[in-house]
Amino acid sequence: NAGVTQTPKFRILKIGQSMTLQCTQDMNHNYMYWYRQDPGMGLKLIYYSVGAGITDKGEVPNGYNVSRSTTEDFPLRLELAAPSQTSVYFCASWGPGLADNEQFFGPGTRLTVL
Amino acid sequence: AQRVTQPEKLLSVFKGAPVELKCNYSYSGSPELFWYVQYSRQRLQLLLRHISRESIKGFTADLNKGETSFHLKKPFAQEEDSAMYYCALKGGSEKLVFGKGTKLTVNP
Repeated sequence: NAGVTQTPKFRILKIGQSMTLQCTQDMNHNYMYWYRQDPGMGLKLIYYSVGAGITDKGEVPNGYNVSRSTTEDFPLRLELAAPSQTSVYFCASWGPGLADNEQFFGPGTRLTVL
Repeated sequence: AQRVTQPEKLLSVFKGAPVELKCNYSYSGSPELFWYVQYSRQRLQLLLRHISRESIKGFTADLNKGETSFHLKKPFAQEEDSAMYYCALKGGSEKLVFGKGTKLTVNP
């Protein structure tokens, strides 16, 4: 299993541009999440999904959109990029691990908005 | 409301010294508590959970319901333990609430 994969690894956007951060998991997990990680602020939940076709807002959803058309994919869309969205974005899924259910993280996407 | 507090942003110790990373939580029910670790430029990975009561890489953590704490401890820190550590709580849903993290530096 590749686990949770994210693309791209890095991206620089200009203010007002749009982009989609891709996230895929091959563990057949129903639950998937998007977090942003800012220095000194920990992880903030942006959006999450409990299964295909179902999404819900997290703690900091403004400026983002998501969709979940399949179990495997959970893309995050930035419509009008702003400098405040400069961050590292982590996608995650929740499901069975070696011993019990746990959250699995992707490698992250480092986004800079200039 | 579910809340996780890690009071130390930064923690610095010398190699071989004991280390304790503090975590306090707020939750009215019976929580599941986790410690996640993030090594430099890597993804977060599960270090341990309170249910398993096991020692991973020499680290242990005990859930203290009376003090609502889940502190992470290691008797002899190693340089390779330098990383960012996040305490996380799972309440009644499949969402984890994370603390702000503690950056541990183990000096030679």
